[in-house]
Amino acid sequence: DARVTQTPRHKVTEMGQEVTMRCQPILGHNTVFWYRQTMMQGLELLAYFRNRAPLDDSGMPKDRFSAEMPDATLATLKIQPSEPRDSAVYFCASGHGTSKSIETQYFGPGTRLLVL
Amino acid sequence: GNSVTQMEGPVTLSEEAFLTINCTYTATGYPSLFWYVQYPGEGLQLLLKATKADDKGSNKGFEATYRKETTSFHLEKGSVQVSDSAVYFCALGVGGKLIFGQGTTLQVKP
Repeated sequence: DARVTQTPRHKVTEMGQEVTMRCQPILGHNTVFWYRQTMMQGLELLAYFRNRAPLDDSGMPKDRFSAEMPDATLATLKIQPSEPRDSAVYFCASGHGTSKSIETQYFGPGTRLLVL
Repeated sequence: GNSVTQMEGPVTLSEEAFLTINCTYTATGYPSLFWYVQYPGEGLQLLLKATKADDKGSNKGFEATYRKETTSFHLEKGSVQVSDSAVYFCALGVGGKLIFGQGTTLQVKP
């Protein structure tokens, strides 16, 4: 049963530290998404890639967040420097998509980040 | 623009009650529609989907019909269980990505 995996599952860090979250999409999926979930804002799309190319990162704070996909089996989301307001659950999802359509997205279990 | 509106929660029901969670959308073109469910401490899981008008998606006793004339995709279940307690998200698939509603929390009491 293919699944999206994310590491770490939990992360506690201090303000100002760098945080790197990793995602392994389901093999064969061409589209990878990063979301952030908080009680106040709900589920927000941060960035997504198709065939490893970044398509849209307008949901990300540009000055401190960066997303990359160094190869087809790994996507990363980095926060540097981290701030308490970044505390949230970060989800990765993958699926098959084109510029016009998207099939089902499969979500990972999330990384729960707490910035003190 | 493209958007999804869900009924606000929380929705609290007794076991075996009938469930409806309303979802309406605004979209250009012919989007696909999805319902996802999120159990406490987990990621979102696909519950059901419909890809064209008048399609009915169904899974685990849940159903939703893609109504183009009313731009709706309401989620229904005839008899809810305590184990159905979760957050339910309606989503619109358009332009290569999903646009999610704000989520509706369902609490089912024994």
